[in-house]
Amino acid sequence: DAGITQSPRHKVTETGTPVTLRCHQTENHRYMYWYRQDPGHGLRLIHYSYGVKDTDKGEVSDGYSVSRSKTEDFLLTLESATSSQTSVYFCASSREWDGELFFGEGSRLTVL
Amino acid sequence: GENVEQHPSTLSVQEGDSAVIKCTYSDSASNYFPWYKQELGKGPQLIIDIRSNVGEKKDQRIAVTLNKTAKHFSLHITETQPEDSAVYFCAASIRAGTALIFGKGTTLSVSS
Repeated sequence: DAGITQSPRHKVTETGTPVTLRCHQTENHRYMYWYRQDPGHGLRLIHYSYGVKDTDKGEVSDGYSVSRSKTEDFLLTLESATSSQTSVYFCASSREWDGELFFGEGSRLTVL
Repeated sequence: GENVEQHPSTLSVQEGDSAVIKCTYSDSASNYFPWYKQELGKGPQLIIDIRSNVGEKKDQRIAVTLNKTAKHFSLHITETQPEDSAVYFCAASIRAGTALIFGKGTTLSVSS
């Protein structure tokens, strides 16, 4: 399995606070992704990166920003968390854009 | 943008029966169609994929078929076993170099 780790794995925060989720991969994969998973919605793409400092928006990018300063790290930031951002967040990486995605174990975020 | 519809949302079968999950996509330029399996509490894992130049692909009890004209693809699982119980996601690429868009998932339950 690709080495994909997410931190924190669980977080409870209050509305209006900033939150940063971290994804770290040890496979030197070029592509990295953030998805959120919600009941009835499946996996929805938030942002993705196709290289260091190269990122693009996904289906549900409003309220989220990302940064990738190193190949191995992809950060997802909620500048001011809202209850609608309560979700399970999955990071993934791949060697090619049309290759296998390797997912992390997920980060469960609760915004009160 | 690309839209991926997946049916059914839940599927219950008896052990040994076959299971079929269907997906349709909207962007005729899509050319990569993977299927992922997600077990409880884990991230999704690739089980099979197909590209637009192929109509069918098989891997032991799992097969995927693709109809580019109709813009739909299907996952077929034969001789189902209890360990096949999971959530299955189909996905399609928006365009070359970008990220996958996932369907909403199918919860498969195999009872013995």
